[in-house]
Amino acid sequence: KAGVTQTPRYLIKTRGQQVTLSCSPISGHRSVSWYQQTPGQGLQFLFEYFSETQRNKGNFPGRFSGRQFSNSRSEMNVSTLELGDSALYLCASSPIRGLGIKNIQYFGAGTRLSVL
Amino acid sequence: GQQLNQSPQSMFIQEGEDVSMNCTSSSIFNTWLWYKQDPGEGPVLLIALYKAGELTSNGRLTAQFGITRKDSFLNISASIPSDVGIYFCAGGGETSGSRLTFGEGTQLTVNP
Repeated sequence: KAGVTQTPRYLIKTRGQQVTLSCSPISGHRSVSWYQQTPGQGLQFLFEYFSETQRNKGNFPGRFSGRQFSNSRSEMNVSTLELGDSALYLCASSPIRGLGIKNIQYFGAGTRLSVL
Repeated sequence: GQQLNQSPQSMFIQEGEDVSMNCTSSSIFNTWLWYKQDPGEGPVLLIALYKAGELTSNGRLTAQFGITRKDSFLNISASIPSDVGIYFCAGGGETSGSRLTFGEGTQLTVNP
Protein backbone atom coordinates (compact mmCIF):
# COMPACT_ATOMS: atom_id res chain seq x y z
CA LYS A 1 0.00 0.00 0.00
CA ALA A 2 1.53 3.33 -1.05
CA GLY A 3 2.05 5.95 1.65
CA VAL A 4 1.10 9.60 1.63
CA THR A 5 2.61 11.25 -1.44
CA GLN A 6 3.47 14.92 -1.52
CA THR A 7 4.60 16.76 -4.61
CA PRO A 8 6.81 18.47 -5.35
CA ARG A 9 9.44 17.58 -2.74
CA TYR A 10 11.30 20.86 -3.16
CA LEU A 11 10.21 24.24 -4.43
CA ILE A 12 11.89 27.62 -4.74
CA LYS A 13 9.78 30.73 -5.19
CA THR A 14 10.27 34.46 -4.86
CA ARG A 15 8.36 36.91 -2.68
CA GLY A 16 4.97 37.85 -4.05
CA GLN A 17 4.50 34.67 -6.06
CA GLN A 18 1.94 32.03 -5.27
CA VAL A 19 2.44 28.30 -4.87
CA THR A 20 0.30 25.15 -4.94
CA LEU A 21 1.31 21.99 -3.11
CA SER A 22 -0.27 18.59 -3.64
CA CYS A 23 -1.02 15.70 -1.32
CA SER A 24 -2.26 12.24 -2.32
CA PRO A 25 -3.48 10.36 0.76
CA ILE A 26 -3.18 6.65 1.38
CA SER A 27 -5.76 4.77 -0.67
CA GLY A 28 -9.05 4.68 1.25
CA HIS A 29 -8.16 7.57 3.53
CA ARG A 30 -10.64 10.41 3.41
CA SER A 31 -9.25 12.86 5.95
CA VAL A 32 -6.29 15.07 5.05
CA SER A 33 -4.57 17.55 7.35
CA TRP A 34 -1.82 20.03 6.57
CA TYR A 35 0.96 21.28 8.86
CA GLN A 36 3.71 23.86 8.54
CA GLN A 37 7.07 23.02 10.13
CA THR A 38 9.67 25.71 10.79
CA PRO A 39 12.68 25.80 13.14
CA GLY A 40 11.18 28.69 15.09
CA GLN A 41 7.53 27.68 15.39
CA GLY A 42 7.76 23.91 15.11
CA LEU A 43 4.82 21.99 13.69
CA GLN A 44 1.73 24.15 13.31
CA PHE A 45 -1.67 22.93 12.15
CA LEU A 46 -2.94 24.62 8.98
CA PHE A 47 -6.23 22.93 8.10
CA GLU A 48 -8.12 19.67 7.86
CA TYR A 49 -10.28 18.42 5.02
CA PHE A 50 -12.81 15.64 4.98
CA SER A 51 -15.36 14.84 2.26
CA GLU A 52 -14.18 17.84 0.23
CA THR A 53 -15.00 20.25 3.07
CA GLN A 54 -12.66 22.17 5.32
CA ARG A 55 -13.44 20.96 8.85
CA ASN A 56 -10.88 22.76 10.92
CA LYS A 57 -8.52 25.68 10.42
CA GLY A 58 -5.40 26.79 12.26
CA ASN A 59 -4.29 30.32 13.02
CA PHE A 60 -2.86 31.28 9.64
CA PRO A 61 -3.67 34.28 7.43
CA GLY A 62 -6.11 34.04 4.56
CA ARG A 63 -3.19 33.75 2.11
CA PHE A 64 -3.15 30.08 3.06
CA SER A 65 -5.97 28.10 1.53
CA GLY A 66 -6.70 24.57 0.49
CA ARG A 67 -9.15 22.22 -1.08
CA GLN A 68 -9.93 18.55 -1.34
CA PHE A 69 -11.14 16.70 -4.40
CA SER A 70 -13.64 13.88 -4.68
CA ASN A 71 -10.81 11.31 -4.78
CA SER A 72 -9.57 12.72 -1.42
CA ARG A 73 -6.45 14.26 -2.94
CA SER A 74 -5.78 17.68 -1.47
CA GLU A 75 -3.98 20.82 -2.50
CA MET A 76 -2.90 23.80 -0.49
CA ASN A 77 -2.19 27.20 -1.93
CA VAL A 78 -0.20 30.09 -0.56
CA SER A 79 -0.64 33.42 -2.30
CA THR A 80 1.60 36.49 -2.13
CA LEU A 81 4.49 34.55 -0.65
CA GLU A 82 6.55 36.07 2.14
CA LEU A 83 10.05 35.13 3.30
CA GLY A 84 8.54 33.73 6.49
CA ASP A 85 6.56 31.18 4.51
CA SER A 86 9.75 29.20 3.94
CA ALA A 87 9.06 25.91 5.66
CA LEU A 88 8.48 22.19 5.34
CA TYR A 89 4.79 21.64 4.56
CA LEU A 90 3.54 18.28 5.75
CA CYS A 91 0.36 16.48 4.85
CA ALA A 92 -1.18 13.71 6.94
CA SER A 93 -4.01 11.35 6.06
CA SER A 94 -6.27 9.07 8.06
CA PRO A 95 -9.28 6.91 7.21
CA ILE A 96 -11.81 9.24 8.85
CA ARG A 97 -11.81 12.35 11.05
CA GLY A 98 -10.71 12.21 14.64
CA LEU A 99 -7.96 10.48 16.61
CA GLY A 100 -9.43 7.10 17.48
CA ILE A 101 -7.54 3.87 18.00
CA LYS A 102 -8.13 2.69 14.45
CA ASN A 103 -7.75 6.12 12.89
CA ILE A 104 -4.00 6.70 12.81
CA GLN A 105 -2.64 9.71 10.92
CA TYR A 106 0.22 8.97 8.53
CA PHE A 107 2.48 11.76 7.36
CA GLY A 108 4.03 12.32 3.97
CA ALA A 109 7.68 13.33 3.54
CA GLY A 110 6.68 16.95 2.98
CA THR A 111 7.34 19.70 0.49
CA ARG A 112 10.29 21.94 1.31
CA LEU A 113 9.38 25.48 0.21
CA SER A 114 12.05 28.16 0.03
CA VAL A 115 10.97 31.76 -0.55
CA LEU A 116 13.71 34.09 -1.79
CA GLY B 1 0.34 29.20 18.10
CA GLN B 2 -0.31 26.90 21.02
CA GLN B 3 2.37 24.28 21.63
CA LEU B 4 3.11 21.67 24.17
CA ASN B 5 6.14 22.12 26.42
CA GLN B 6 8.52 19.31 25.58
CA SER B 7 11.77 18.62 27.40
CA PRO B 8 14.61 18.22 27.10
CA GLN B 9 15.28 20.06 23.84
CA SER B 10 18.26 17.83 23.11
CA MET B 11 20.01 14.82 24.55
CA PHE B 12 23.44 13.34 23.93
CA ILE B 13 23.75 9.80 25.24
CA GLN B 14 25.90 6.69 24.89
CA GLU B 15 24.62 3.60 23.15
CA GLY B 16 22.92 1.32 25.66
CA GLU B 17 21.68 4.10 27.93
CA ASP B 18 18.03 4.71 28.70
CA VAL B 19 16.32 7.93 27.64
CA SER B 20 13.36 9.78 29.04
CA MET B 21 11.50 12.78 27.63
CA ASN B 22 8.21 14.41 28.55
CA CYS B 23 5.54 16.84 27.51
CA THR B 24 3.29 19.07 29.55
CA SER B 25 0.35 21.23 28.60
CA SER B 26 -1.90 23.76 30.23
CA SER B 27 -4.81 22.17 28.35
CA ILE B 28 -6.36 18.75 28.67
CA PHE B 29 -5.91 16.34 25.78
CA ASN B 30 -7.86 13.16 25.07
CA THR B 31 -5.14 11.63 22.94
CA TRP B 32 -1.36 11.72 23.27
CA LEU B 33 0.89 10.59 20.45
CA TRP B 34 4.64 10.23 20.13
CA TYR B 35 6.31 10.62 16.73
CA LYS B 36 9.89 10.31 15.45
CA GLN B 37 11.15 12.34 12.53
CA ASP B 38 14.29 11.54 10.55
CA PRO B 39 15.98 14.15 8.33
CA GLY B 40 14.11 14.72 5.09
CA GLU B 41 11.13 12.66 6.20
CA GLY B 42 7.75 13.22 7.78
CA PRO B 43 6.98 12.20 11.37
CA VAL B 44 6.37 8.50 11.96
CA LEU B 45 4.02 7.40 14.74
CA LEU B 46 5.71 5.45 17.55
CA ILE B 47 3.05 5.14 20.24
CA ALA B 48 -0.56 6.30 20.64
CA LEU B 49 -2.28 6.76 24.02
CA TYR B 50 -6.04 7.14 24.40
CA LYS B 51 -6.84 6.87 28.11
CA ALA B 52 -5.61 8.76 31.16
CA GLY B 53 -3.15 6.63 33.09
CA GLU B 54 -2.55 4.33 30.11
CA LEU B 55 0.95 2.84 29.87
CA THR B 56 1.85 1.42 26.46
CA SER B 57 4.97 -0.24 25.11
CA ASN B 58 6.27 -0.71 21.59
CA GLY B 59 9.48 -2.73 21.72
CA ARG B 60 12.06 -0.69 23.63
CA LEU B 61 9.70 2.29 23.82
CA THR B 62 7.28 2.92 26.66
CA ALA B 63 4.92 5.88 26.96
CA GLN B 64 2.37 6.97 29.52
CA PHE B 65 -0.70 9.19 29.37
CA GLY B 66 -0.70 11.32 32.52
CA ILE B 67 -3.58 11.03 34.99
CA THR B 68 -4.34 14.76 34.72
CA ARG B 69 -4.47 14.39 30.89
CA LYS B 70 -2.05 17.33 30.72
CA ASP B 71 1.18 15.40 30.36
CA SER B 72 2.88 12.38 28.85
CA PHE B 73 6.33 10.82 28.87
CA LEU B 74 8.29 8.59 26.55
CA ASN B 75 11.07 6.25 27.64
CA ILE B 76 13.53 4.52 25.33
CA SER B 77 15.49 1.68 26.87
CA ALA B 78 18.91 0.41 25.79
CA SER B 79 19.32 3.03 23.06
CA ILE B 80 20.95 2.12 19.74
CA PRO B 81 22.44 4.37 17.02
CA SER B 82 19.31 4.19 14.85
CA ASP B 83 17.33 5.88 17.65
CA VAL B 84 18.92 9.15 16.51
CA GLY B 85 16.32 11.65 15.37
CA ILE B 86 13.81 14.19 16.60
CA TYR B 87 11.02 12.97 18.85
CA PHE B 88 7.76 14.88 19.06
CA CYS B 89 4.84 14.59 21.38
CA ALA B 90 1.42 15.58 20.07
CA GLY B 91 -1.94 16.05 21.74
CA GLY B 92 -5.43 15.89 20.34
CA GLY B 93 -8.73 17.04 21.78
CA GLU B 94 -12.16 15.45 21.66
CA THR B 95 -13.66 18.25 19.62
CA SER B 96 -10.68 19.09 17.44
CA GLY B 97 -11.21 16.44 14.76
CA SER B 98 -7.86 15.26 13.43
CA ARG B 99 -6.04 18.40 14.58
CA LEU B 100 -2.83 17.77 16.54
CA THR B 101 -0.89 20.19 18.74
CA PHE B 102 2.82 19.38 18.72
CA GLY B 103 5.65 19.81 21.21
CA GLU B 104 8.87 21.54 20.18
CA GLY B 105 10.71 18.25 19.77
CA THR B 106 13.64 16.48 21.46
CA GLN B 107 16.76 16.00 19.35
CA LEU B 108 18.35 12.70 20.35
CA THR B 109 21.98 11.89 19.56
CA VAL B 110 23.33 8.43 20.38
CA ASN B 111 27.08 7.94 20.46
CA PRO B 112 28.17 4.40 19.55
